[in-house]
Amino acid sequence: DTGVSQDPRHKITKRGQNVTFRCDPISEHNRLYWYRQTLGQGPEFLTYFQNEAQLEKSRLLSDRFSAERPKGSFSTLEIQRTEQGDSAMYLCASSSGGGIGYTFGSGTRLTVV
Amino acid sequence: AQSVTQLGSHVSVSEGALVLLRCNYSSSVPPYLFWYVQYPNQGLQLLLKYTSAATLVKGINGFEAEFKKSETSFHLTKPSAHMSDAAEYFCAVSDTGTASKLTFGTGTRLQVTL
Repeated sequence: DTGVSQDPRHKITKRGQNVTFRCDPISEHNRLYWYRQTLGQGPEFLTYFQNEAQLEKSRLLSDRFSAERPKGSFSTLEIQRTEQGDSAMYLCASSSGGGIGYTFGSGTRLTVV
Repeated sequence: AQSVTQLGSHVSVSEGALVLLRCNYSSSVPPYLFWYVQYPNQGLQLLLKYTSAATLVKGINGFEAEFKKSETSFHLTKPSAHMSDAAEYFCAVSDTGTASKLTFGTGTRLQVTL
């Protein structure tokens, strides 16, 4: 197992387009998290799954954002009608049941032009 | 609500000097506390974590941190800086109830000079 994998690493999109990111967690981890990190800031929590159930969503997650984790394995994060303010690094992390400290992926850097 | 404050957005030390990165937390319940390191264009790597066991926590790469409840602090130290330590460091807190959501500080960029 090589850790948490995120795809793509970089995405440039035009304002108004939809984008989808994928995260493959460590296989034995049942918890999966999405965070957003803007330039010069720490990561901000977006949402988290335990298996396939989405248990918590941040108020940052507007109705243009949706996340899924079908079958409790990989997860996707979709942003509809992207805005320039969505430009950020989107980080995925996973953990085992204890959830004390995560393993992060390398992130997907989104640039909206 | 939980929060962390990292004092000093930039810290510069000479190679071989002591590294001290400051973190103060606010939490209404006993916290879990973490330090992560981030290299350019990379994700975050866990350096160490405090989970209410020993107050002095040792991590990877020679780093350690001490939990001081009376000062609500969890400062990160390393006796001797190495050039490879240059990176962004984040302190984070989560509550012991759910151990799920992490709240991060704004980060401290460590520069190591010759």
